[in-house]
Formats: sequence, C-alpha cells, structure tokens
Amino acid sequence: AAGVIQSPRHLIKEKRETATLKCYPIPRHDTVYWYQQGPGQDPQFLISFYEKMQSDKGSIPDRFSAQQFSDYHSELNMSSLELGDSALYFCASSPLGAGADTEAFFGQGTRLTVV
Amino acid sequence: SQQGEEDPQALSIQEGENATMNCSYKTSINNLQWYRQNSGRGLVHLILIRSNEREKHSGRLRVTLDTSKKSSSLLITASRAADTASYFCATTGTSYGKLTFGQGTILTVHP
Repeated sequence: AAGVIQSPRHLIKEKRETATLKCYPIPRHDTVYWYQQGPGQDPQFLISFYEKMQSDKGSIPDRFSAQQFSDYHSELNMSSLELGDSALYFCASSPLGAGADTEAFFGQGTRLTVV
Repeated sequence: SQQGEEDPQALSIQEGENATMNCSYKTSINNLQWYRQNSGRGLVHLILIRSNEREKHSGRLRVTLDTSKKSSSLLITASRAADTASYFCATTGTSYGKLTFGQGTILTVHP
C-alpha cells in the first residue's frame, strides 16, 4: 500500500541557508500535517492543511512557511536556518473528511542538520 | 511537552513480560492515539481510542482511557525484543485532527 513519502530523507544545510522539505500524502487523503521532533523530544505540531487550505497552526516560526498544492503534496519552506532547527521533520496525512476519528499516517521523516 | 507526561520515561523488561505505559493529558479530547517509533524513524500508529470508550484491544495491545483522570495506559502483553522502541500517546482535541504528543516512554525488551 502507498505510504506518505517525504523527500529528502536527509539534508545538511549551513546557518542562514534555506531548505525545502516535500511531502506526498497517501492518495485520496485530504489533510496534511507537519511536525518537528528535536533530539530526545516528542513531536511538536507545526502546521496543517485541509483541502489545500491552512487548517491549524502550531509552534511554527515565522521563518517557516508551508503550502499544499493542487495535487495535495505539501512543501515546508525554512529560511534563515538556525542550529536549533536541526531536527526530524515529519509529514503525516489522513482522510479527515471521512470523520475526525481517523488515524494519521506518518512518513519516515526528513532529518535536517544545520551546521 | 505541551500535553503532559508519560510514565515511566524508560522501561526495561525481559521478553515474555508485560509492559505498561501511562500517559496523562491536560485538555479535553476527541480521541487518544498511541504511536510507536523505532530509533530515529517514522511514527507507526498502533491504536486509537475515542473519548467515549474506556478500553480497546488490538492483538497484544490493550489501551484504557479514563477521561475523568485525563489519563490512558497502554499494555503490551508477552513482549518481544522487536517491541523495543519509543511509545508516544497523542491526543486530538480539534476537528482538524492535530495531534498533541506526550513525551514518550522508551521501552527496551531484553531477549
């Protein structure tokens, strides 16, 4: 079965550079979520999209932006990178339109290292 | 953590033993979910329990939910070395399904 695809899997950037993370949700899933997980931490919600519109916003820095495209894939854009942005970034998708009690399916994550 | 604490933070047991992990949360919820994460990898959904449910089973997993105490427990019976992972509870409280995670329990099952 198709899963959530994230690319790249690993990314190394220097401070003040920009990075773009991509997420391809499971087909027919209408909702995409982005999470950030620092070393030894629990995942923290960043932002979500439902039917290509931003649906919820968490602790996402102003330096970050995201969008969901017409084909439902999503991109997380990160600018002016800081050392503290080094983390595992997860994308998840769910068929939320089918009801609120649906599980989210997570991708394998993108490990971002800022040096 | 924005949600609450998981207890214990680390658990070390022998294969065949049962493992119990607890989770507390702070806000009202629609449902509570448990996820598993192998070291540095993706989160795998284990089980979802709705706010109007008290107990749910799936294979070797048993989840309970006490909304009056804002707590949940995950029991893994007859543990295996392959169960070694971090386990997170996560709650949803909005209609858009945003998950709020607890801090996680690191489970180590020794063969």
